[in-house]
Amino acid sequence: KAGVTQTPRYLIKTRGQQVTLSCSPISGHRSVSWYQQTPGQGLQFLFEYFSETQRNKGNFPGRFSGRQFSNSRSEMNVSTLELGDSALYLCASSLVALAGDTGELFFGEGSRLTVL
Amino acid sequence: QKEVEQNSGPLSVPEGAIASLNCTYSDRGSQSFFWYRQYSGKSPELIMFIYSNGDKEDGRFTAQLNKASQYVSLLIRDSQPSDSATYLCAVTGPRGSYIPTFGRGTSLIVHP
Repeated sequence: KAGVTQTPRYLIKTRGQQVTLSCSPISGHRSVSWYQQTPGQGLQFLFEYFSETQRNKGNFPGRFSGRQFSNSRSEMNVSTLELGDSALYLCASSLVALAGDTGELFFGEGSRLTVL
Repeated sequence: QKEVEQNSGPLSVPEGAIASLNCTYSDRGSQSFFWYRQYSGKSPELIMFIYSNGDKEDGRFTAQLNKASQYVSLLIRDSQPSDSATYLCAVTGPRGSYIPTFGRGTSLIVHP
């Protein structure tokens, strides 16, 4: 069974540019969450999508956005990049279907973004 | 704001010893508790979850939960060098809130 696939794995951008990251969840998983991981802040929740709808959102500025397609694949976009956006961006898929369910998160290998 | 606290370490133990990793959480209504392991340069993977007070054992791993003290721990018996990794504690709840809040992780080093 294929795991969570994230592309690209590594990318370098300059301040002011935008970036789009892609995530393909495990087949059958309809919930896709995005996290930012930095040494200083740890894993910070960005947003979660379920059935093409953003169901939960973390405390990140509007420069961070995402979407989910009908096949559950998800993308996140960061516009007007800042140096502080340099981080590992992790996508996780889950079988969580209803609020109150608790489910294991299956993480992709991440996309490491460096902003110069 | 829900908070999950872990000692960043590193926690260094000799091979064969018991490693004890601790986590405290601020929201008394938290429902579910998870331990993820993250090797350097890799993504987190779930190793244990616990919902009820008490102990839960899985092989060399034991998760312990004390909701009254808002404390969850992970014990690793017969530690191996391959256990060297960062261990992340994650907490969900209260009921209806299933997005986990992660601690910053404890770095464990098991030396031969």
